[in-house]
Amino acid sequence: NAGVMQNPRHLVRRRGQEARLRCSPMKGHSHVYWYRQLPEEGLKFMVYLQKENIIDESGMPKERFSAEFPKEGPSILRIQQVVRGDSAAYFCASSPQGAGLNYGYTFGSGTRLTVV
Amino acid sequence: ILNVEQSPQSLHVQEGDSTNFTCSFPSSNFYALHWYRWETAKSPEALFVMTLNGDEKKKGRISATLNTKEGYSYLYIKGSQPEDSATYLCALPTGNQFYFGTGTSLTVIP
Repeated sequence: NAGVMQNPRHLVRRRGQEARLRCSPMKGHSHVYWYRQLPEEGLKFMVYLQKENIIDESGMPKERFSAEFPKEGPSILRIQQVVRGDSAAYFCASSPQGAGLNYGYTFGSGTRLTVV
Repeated sequence: ILNVEQSPQSLHVQEGDSTNFTCSFPSSNFYALHWYRWETAKSPEALFVMTLNGDEKKKGRISATLNTKEGYSYLYIKGSQPEDSATYLCALPTGNQFYFGTGTSLTVIP
C-alpha cells in the first residue's frame, strides 16, 4: 500500500525556468495539501485541493505559483519563472477527509528544489 | 496566523536517558494538536492526535500530554534509543491548514 508519492525527489532549475512538482496521494485519499519548508523555517501551508477543486490557496504566492489536482493523475504544483528564493523543500500530504480533528496528514518525502 | 513554538530547538541525550520537550500554543480557539516524528531524509510520520484537556497518549516508549487551558503539550521519551533520533514536530489545525512548530531535533548518542 504505497503512501504519498512525490517526484522528483530533487529538482534543479535555472532562474527563469519552470518547475513542476508531482504528488500522488495515498490510495483512498482525496484531499491533498502542499507545504513549503524554506531554509531554517518550519513547514508553511500553501494550498489545499480536492479532486478538480482548489479549496484554499491562501498560502500560495500570488504570482508564478499554481496548483491543480485533476480528475485523473497526480496533483501538480507549478512554479513559473523560478527565482533563487523559491529554493526550498516542497511537501505534499494527503488525508481521507479534511484533516484536523480526527485525521492528520500522510506526508510524502518531499521535493527539494534548487534554483541556480 | 497561529504561533506554535517548540522548545528546545535541539537536544542531545545519552542512550537510556529519558527526555521531554514542549509545544506551546495559544490556548484560545483550540481544536486539536498533532505530533509528528520526522527522520532525516524521510517523511513526517504521525504519532498522536490530541484533542481534550488532560489527554495522555502513549505509543511504546513515547507518550504525550496536553494542557489546553495553559496552552502546552509535552512529549516524553523514556529510555531513549538511537533510533529515536529525529525531529519531533507539533502542529495545530486551524481552518484548512495546520500550523507547524519548527520542531525539536533529538539526537540520541549511543
